[in-house]
Amino acid sequence: GNSVTQMEGPVTLSEEAFLTINCTYTATGYPSLFWYVQYPGEGLQLLLKATKADDKGSNKGFEATYRKETTSFHLEKGSVQVSDSAVYFCALRSNYQLIWGAGTKLIIKP
Amino acid sequence: EPEVTQTPSHQVTQMGQEVILRCVPISNHLYFYWYRQILGQKVEFLVSFYNNEISEKSEIFDDQFSVERPDGSNFTLKIRSTKLEDSAMYFCASSDFRGLGETQYFGPGTRLLVL
Repeated sequence: GNSVTQMEGPVTLSEEAFLTINCTYTATGYPSLFWYVQYPGEGLQLLLKATKADDKGSNKGFEATYRKETTSFHLEKGSVQVSDSAVYFCALRSNYQLIWGAGTKLIIKP
Repeated sequence: EPEVTQTPSHQVTQMGQEVILRCVPISNHLYFYWYRQILGQKVEFLVSFYNNEISEKSEIFDDQFSVERPDGSNFTLKIRSTKLEDSAMYFCASSDFRGLGETQYFGPGTRLLVL
């Protein structure tokens, strides 16, 4: 069946460090891929998405490229801020539902 | 910016009681969803709903669960007889179309605690 695997957290970085959160997926066909973010005490917010191979989603300095050959959708940011501290979820769309990774907690220290 | 809203934000109930979680999707959206997240676990799909019918449901969504769109704005999830294991954060989501490029927009969640 379809599934999403994310790197385990927490990931702790210093401000202005480079961020990578790995996400790989297993799916039939070519599903749309998403990154959602959950800030402390809040709901799930769409961060970025990609709908086909080689698409790059980007938002708020974050980027992720849909890699069909490696079935990956890694999240990257060149210089993180304290305000980026949150839980990040990778997800794929399968039929009518989203299938989620376990989430990666990101902690940014000043 | 339009957003999905959910009420209540927190609900505490006794095992065996019925609960209704309420959601107001984004006004021009036609597709509605419920997900849940048990503490420390993955977000799990429960059900999708379109045109007053369930489109898809997961194994979790058994006879104890039901969904309804009672009027033009609300979308509800009912749990008839709550169990301890129903304690979770419940998220409502909506989208304006279904297909390539579809995005589901989520509400802030209702934290349900069953005692």
